[in-house]
Amino acid sequence: KNEVEQSPQNLTAQEGEFITINCSYSVGISALHWLQQHPGGGIVSLFMLSSGKKKHGRLIATINIQEKHSSLHITASHPRDSAVYICAAINMDSNYQLIWGAGTKLIIKP
Amino acid sequence: EPEVTQTPSHQVTQMGQEVILRCVPISNHLYFYWYRQILGQKVEFLVSFYNNEISEKSEIFDDQFSVERPDGSNFTLKIRSTKLEDSAMYFCASSGDRGLNSPLHFGNGTRLTVT
Repeated sequence: KNEVEQSPQNLTAQEGEFITINCSYSVGISALHWLQQHPGGGIVSLFMLSSGKKKHGRLIATINIQEKHSSLHITASHPRDSAVYICAAINMDSNYQLIWGAGTKLIIKP
Repeated sequence: EPEVTQTPSHQVTQMGQEVILRCVPISNHLYFYWYRQILGQKVEFLVSFYNNEISEKSEIFDDQFSVERPDGSNFTLKIRSTKLEDSAMYFCASSGDRGLNSPLHFGNGTRLTVT
């Protein structure tokens, strides 16, 4: 079983839809990163959070430490949001290393 | 905004050759990392570097790999004798004084192709 699981693996939606990507983890973590990987391969950090909720523009990330679950939401989605979204958890049980999820491939159609 | 820069963007090499992948982290960052992503697979951790030494390394980071920070700005990954299975995208990242508990900044990656 993967220590960090993301769902869905693939998501296709229409422009304007509200998007939710989920991340569950089975280990103790100190914080969790949400990252965006562009079609060209580059990786951009979106959020790092250890509790509660963070918002940046149309992106919102939440984390529930007790339930070992985090979500990334995109409001008013746009085709330029099309990318792979990856969660990566800082594993307290393994020398605070990052454990990467497999990513969610998001396609937003105009 | 400061960026992590990686060169080259694409490197093609023959099996058995040595390659050096270069990275310039953000200047006031203290933690440096190399990750790799084989096509179609998850990102994998290779090594982290702090205070001029390796702080953690994965099983992938065997004797064929080494890292250096030769001049206080560059951070290099050397693969001594490349294998076909080393073909991947290699990402350098850096972070501030709280390590992984700080935002991570990634370079655009070097695509290594071993033929």
